[in-house]
Amino acid sequence: EAGVTQFPSHSVIEKGQTVTLRCDPISGHDNLYWYRRVMGKEIKFLLHFVKESKQDESGMPNNRFLAERTGGTYSTLKVQPAELEDSGVYFCASSQVGGANTGELFFGEGSRLTVL
Amino acid sequence: AQSVTQLGSHVSVSEGALVLLRCNYSSSVPPYLFWYVQYPNQGLQLLLKYTSAATLVKGINGFEAEFKKSETSFHLTKPSAHMSDAAEYFCAVTLGTGRRALTFGSGTRLQVQP
Repeated sequence: EAGVTQFPSHSVIEKGQTVTLRCDPISGHDNLYWYRRVMGKEIKFLLHFVKESKQDESGMPNNRFLAERTGGTYSTLKVQPAELEDSGVYFCASSQVGGANTGELFFGEGSRLTVL
Repeated sequence: AQSVTQLGSHVSVSEGALVLLRCNYSSSVPPYLFWYVQYPNQGLQLLLKYTSAATLVKGINGFEAEFKKSETSFHLTKPSAHMSDAAEYFCAVTLGTGRRALTFGSGTRLQVQP
C-alpha cells in the first residue's frame, strides 16, 4: 500500500512568486491534514479536510494560503504571493474516519519550501 | 484545549545508556497521546500511541512510554540507546477518533555518542 506522497520535495522560489504543493493521501483516507514546521520550531497545524470539505482551517496563517481538495482525493496548498516567513517544511498527513480511527496520522516526507 | 510540552530541545546520551525524553500534556478530556520520530530527510513515523488502554505502551525499536494521569506525563524511554536512534522525537496529543488534529510538541533532538 502506498503511503502519503508529497510533491515537490523541495522548492526554492523568490519572494512574491507562487508555489503549489501537492499531497496524495493513503487511498481510502478521508481525513487529510496540512502541517508546517518553520525553522526548527514546533509542527503547527494548518488545516483539516474531511473528504473535500474543510473541517478546520483555523491554523491557516493568512489569505495568501489556499488549500483545496477537489473530489476528496489529493490536495493542493498554494502560497501566493510567497513571503520570506513562509519558508519551512510543509507536511501532509492522512487518516481514516470513524471506528477505525485511533487518532494516528500517517505523514508524508514533507515539502521543503525556501523563499529567497 | 490541548497542548504538549517537551522538556529539552536536545538530549545527548552514550550508546548503551538509558534514553529518557520528557513530555507533559494538557487536555480538558482524556487524551490520546503519541510519539513520532523523524529521521534525517524522512517524514514522521509513529513510534507508539496511547489510546486509553494499557498505561504502559510498547512501540517500535524498543521504545516504550508510560501514561501517568496524576503527573500529566507521557515520557518516552528506551533502556539502551543505539546509534541508529539519533533522530528528532515529537510528542503529540489529540482528543481522539479523528475529531481533532494532532497538537505537537516542539521536538527533542536525540544525539547518541559512541
